[in-house]
Amino acid sequence: DAGVIQSPRHEVTEMGQEVTLRCKPISGHDYLFWYRQTMMRGLELLIYFNNNVPIDDSGMPEDRFSAKMPNASFSTLKIQPSEPRDSAVYFCASRMMGGQFFGPGTRLTVL
Amino acid sequence: AQKITQTQPGMFVQEKEAVTLDCTYDTSDPSYGLFWYKQPSSGEMIFLIYQGSYDQQNATEGRYSLNFQKARKSANLVISASQLGDSAMYFCAMREGHISNFGNEKLTFGTGTRLTIIP
Repeated sequence: DAGVIQSPRHEVTEMGQEVTLRCKPISGHDYLFWYRQTMMRGLELLIYFNNNVPIDDSGMPEDRFSAKMPNASFSTLKIQPSEPRDSAVYFCASRMMGGQFFGPGTRLTVL
Repeated sequence: AQKITQTQPGMFVQEKEAVTLDCTYDTSDPSYGLFWYKQPSSGEMIFLIYQGSYDQQNATEGRYSLNFQKARKSANLVISASQLGDSAMYFCAMREGHISNFGNEKLTFGTGTRLTIIP
C-alpha cells in the first residue's frame, strides 16, 4: 500500500506568488494533518481534518494560509501571497487508529 | 511550560550498544498518548512506537521499546543493538485525550535528539 503522497517535493517561488501544496492520504485513513517544520519553531500542526471536515485550524499562521479537503483522497494547502518567512518543510500526515503516518514533505523556499 | 521536553540535543553511541533517548512530558489530562518518530537525513518522519496512558505494559516494536514511567511523566525510547541506520533525529510527541476518541488529535512534538551511531 502506498504511503502518504505529497507533491511537489520541492518548490522554489518568489515572494508574493501563490503556492499550492498537495497531499494524498493513505487510503482508508479518516484523519489528515498538515504540519510545518522549521529550525526555529520545530514541528507545528497547522490544521487537521476528520472525514474531510476541518476540525482545528488554530495553528494556521494567518489568513494567507488556507487548506481544503474536497474528498477523502486529496487535500491542498495554499499560501497566497507567499513570504520568505513561509520557507519551511510542509508535511502532510494521515491516520485511522494509532500513530500518524507522514508523507515525505514539501520543501518550500520563498525568495 | 513545555509539554514535551527532550533534554539531549545530540548523542553519540557505539554501534551495537543500546541507546536510551529521554523524553518527559507535562499534561493534566488523565488520557494521553505518547509517540516516537524518527527523521533520517532524507527528511521523512517515520512513526516508531506508541504508548497509551492506560496501557499496562510498556510498548515494544522490534528493537524499539518505550520505558514508560507514568509517575515521573517519562517516556524514554530504548533502541537495542543499535545500527548505523539508526542515525537520525528522534522526536517524542504527545496527544492529549484518548486515541480512540474523536477528541483532540493535535500532536505536540519535542525539539528532538540527534542520534549518531559510530561504527
